[in-house]
Amino acid sequence: GQNIDQPTEMTATEGAIVQINCTYQTSGFNGLFWYQQHAGEAPTFLSYNVLDGLEEKGRFSSFLSRSKGYSYLLLKELQMKDSASYLCAVRDGDYKLSFGAGTTVTVRA
Amino acid sequence: ETGVTQTPRHLVMGMTNKKSLKCEQHLGHNAMYWYKQSAKKPLELMFVYNFKEQTENNSVPSRFSPECPNSSHLFLHLHTLQPEDSALYLCASSPSEWDSNTEAFFGQGTRLTVV
Repeated sequence: GQNIDQPTEMTATEGAIVQINCTYQTSGFNGLFWYQQHAGEAPTFLSYNVLDGLEEKGRFSSFLSRSKGYSYLLLKELQMKDSASYLCAVRDGDYKLSFGAGTTVTVRA
Repeated sequence: ETGVTQTPRHLVMGMTNKKSLKCEQHLGHNAMYWYKQSAKKPLELMFVYNFKEQTENNSVPSRFSPECPNSSHLFLHLHTLQPEDSALYLCASSPSEWDSNTEAFFGQGTRLTVV
């Protein structure tokens, strides 16, 4: 099966920066996704990386290194509403999307 | 609102009951998915339908039976479930199973409790 690892929990202060790491081992690679999921709500799409490098989208950025099987999601200028679970997902060589267990981020005032 | 609607939002059922979960999307997508989300565990892919044909059954027990009558609707029929089947069941859709750079859109899920 596929193996996708990310930390279980992270805590940060409002206005700060948090970096959520994701490492993966999959059979083939067709892209990496980050989703945000608030409690009791649907996961919503944040970012997509298929080539190495940094993708920036407002306060959120995502980085990918295919050779290292590594990605991170960077959340800048944290706001209270950013408290949520962040899911790393990888599309493998058969186009199947596998998810990590998610990282719960708690933003404190 | 993601464009994917799931009903019911919450369901409590006994182990001898039969119930169905419904998922509907009007995004024009051709692929639909069922995922199981248990606490502190990764989302587990259960079934995939692409253009109404089932393309993936991820070793799911037969007490879960999917149905996809058309590209807009997906059902999950449940019977004789076990307490360990209690979880959040998420439906998702995407333009096609084979598009690598398009994200899946998720519904809000059905919180299932088996008693």
